[in-house]
Amino acid sequence: GQNIDQPTEMTATEGAIVQINCTYQTSGFNGLFWYQQHAGEAPTFLSYNVLDGLEEKGRFSSFLSRSKGYSYLLLKELQMKDSASYLCAVGTGANNLFFGTGTRLTVIP
Amino acid sequence: GAVVSQHPSWVICKSGTSVKIECRSLDFQATTMFWYRQFPKQSLMLMATSNEGSKATYEQGVEKDKFLINHASLTLSTLTVTSAHPEDSSFYICSAPGTSINEQFFGPGTRLTVL
Repeated sequence: GQNIDQPTEMTATEGAIVQINCTYQTSGFNGLFWYQQHAGEAPTFLSYNVLDGLEEKGRFSSFLSRSKGYSYLLLKELQMKDSASYLCAVGTGANNLFFGTGTRLTVIP
Repeated sequence: GAVVSQHPSWVICKSGTSVKIECRSLDFQATTMFWYRQFPKQSLMLMATSNEGSKATYEQGVEKDKFLINHASLTLSTLTVTSAHPEDSSFYICSAPGTSINEQFFGPGTRLTVL
């Protein structure tokens, strides 16, 4: 089976840094994805990790440790528009995605 | 990037009726498409994998006779919610993989409300 866990909600201050953790136990692994989703909209792709280590892309970075079944998404210089749900997803050999529970991030002034 | 569209974007129907949702890949071909369901304040749950020219593969707990999937062409997959009930009210999202393993193009979603 598939099990992907994230914190349900987080709150952070504008301009700060926030780290959203994700742990997973899946029967297949083709990579770890992070998506951003605003309410009522489709998810938008943020990052993809298939090897251990840190991937940096502007204000967003994502880390993966396959041996620990662990990933995090790091958001720097938070902006109000970053308030959204952040979804951790694992790609399986069938090219589909299994999503975690999602983390609702609220950025406050 | 590639575009996936869904139609309708929202639909309201009476309990007991059937609703069809279309998912189209606009500028690329997709032999496989995925259907997800998302309840309020919850994450996306994979319902089924739609395969062009063959039967869909359903995830455990998803009734294949209730959620009919047809992938009749390389650019179109349809999901029909048969005999819809209020508990079927949800946000339905489709996606199609790209050529790279990390590419997954999502449709804008369809909001279904069953009265």
